[in-house]
Formats: sequence, structure tokens, C-alpha cells
Amino acid sequence: GAGVSQSPSNKVTEKGKDVELRCDPISGHTALYWYRQSLGQGLEFLIYFQGNSAPDKSGLPSDRFSAERTGGSVSTLTIQRTQQEDSAVYLCASSLRSTGSTDTQYFGPGTRLTVL
Amino acid sequence: GENVEQHPSTLSVQEGDSAVIKCTYSDSASNYFPWYKQELGKRPQLIIDIRSNVGEKKDQRIAVTLNKTAKHFSLHITETQPEDSAVYFCAASRGYSSASKIIFGSGTRLSIRP
Repeated sequence: GAGVSQSPSNKVTEKGKDVELRCDPISGHTALYWYRQSLGQGLEFLIYFQGNSAPDKSGLPSDRFSAERTGGSVSTLTIQRTQQEDSAVYLCASSLRSTGSTDTQYFGPGTRLTVL
Repeated sequence: GENVEQHPSTLSVQEGDSAVIKCTYSDSASNYFPWYKQELGKRPQLIIDIRSNVGEKKDQRIAVTLNKTAKHFSLHITETQPEDSAVYFCAASRGYSSASKIIFGSGTRLSIRP
């Protein structure tokens, strides 16, 4: 079946512009995560959605970052007034999180954001 | 907050030798411990996982051990091959029964020397 998809795959923007990154999780997956990964670095947690619960926004680095998940499916990560330090690969992951399942994360291919 | 510590951050081993990566976790309610492999330029992918009701799990050349009392778990790769070169991430989770998020370690860059 279809895995997690993200768009765009690459985004180049100018400093100060806003960007929107999209994640389509695996159908039926209740949990959705956004991570940021700078070159050669680890997975920096940004935000977590679980079902209808309030999202865990504890990883968002500043108020320029926000995310929403509509209808419990597609999620959009928005970065306002982009800065050069926002340049990174943004990864989305989803997991099933239901009785009998594990919490296996399925990652999307990522969006490579470059802020000039 | 909850934390997962991973060591070492980099590891270089001779081809054919074994590699061991260790993680410790702080949340005693964690019951699911996956390991992910991320090859250069690719997304992380699950390679093996273990639940808290078992102490060891093997899959060909890779194995994971869990010590719940000490709150640590390890990844063992035997007879290493060049294709094992990658970044490895451990993680800890309370599993599906909790709304709390999964926590990742900081990663280990494994290099296999020919």
C-alpha cells in the first residue's frame, strides 16, 4: 500500500518568506509526527498529533512554526518569516497506535528546505 | 521531560567484526523499543524492535537486548558488512495504550572499514 508522502520534495525560498510543507500519512494512522533533521544531525522533534487529542507542540523552536492536521489525516507544517537556520530536511512520520499494534514509525521521504 | 540517551555517537569497526550501540531511557512506563537505520540521503526505517515482555530478540545478524530493571537496551550487529554503514537511532515508547509520544535517541553513525 501507499506509504507516507510529503510535498514538496525540495523547497528553496528567500529569507523572510513563508513556506508550507505537506504530509500525507498512511491511511488510518492516528499518530503523526514532524521532525527536523539538519545535515549530519539527529531527529529533532517538532510536533505530535494523536487522534483528537490536543497536539504536543513542545518541540516547536519558535512561534514562527505552526502545524495543523485536518480531519485526522493530512498535516501542514507552516514556517513564517523563514530564516537561514531553518534550512534542513523536514521529516513526517505516522504510526497506527491502536490495540494490538506497536508504535512503529513510518517515515516520509522528507522535504529539503533551503532558505537563501 | 522523558529522555533517551544513546552511545556512542560515532562508531567505526572493521568489516566482519561486531558493533554494539547502547541506549538508556528514563520513562519506566516505556514498553516498546524500536531501532531505526538511516542510510545516507534516505528516510529512517525500522530494522528491529522489542517489547518489554522479552529480554532479547534476533533477526539474522542483528539482535536487541533489553534490561528493564536498568532501563537500558542495546543493538548488536555481528559480522558487519559495508552496507551496515548508516546512522542508527534507538527509541522508547509507551506503545499504543498511551497518548504520549515516542522519544528518539540522538543517533550513532556507524562506519564499516574494509
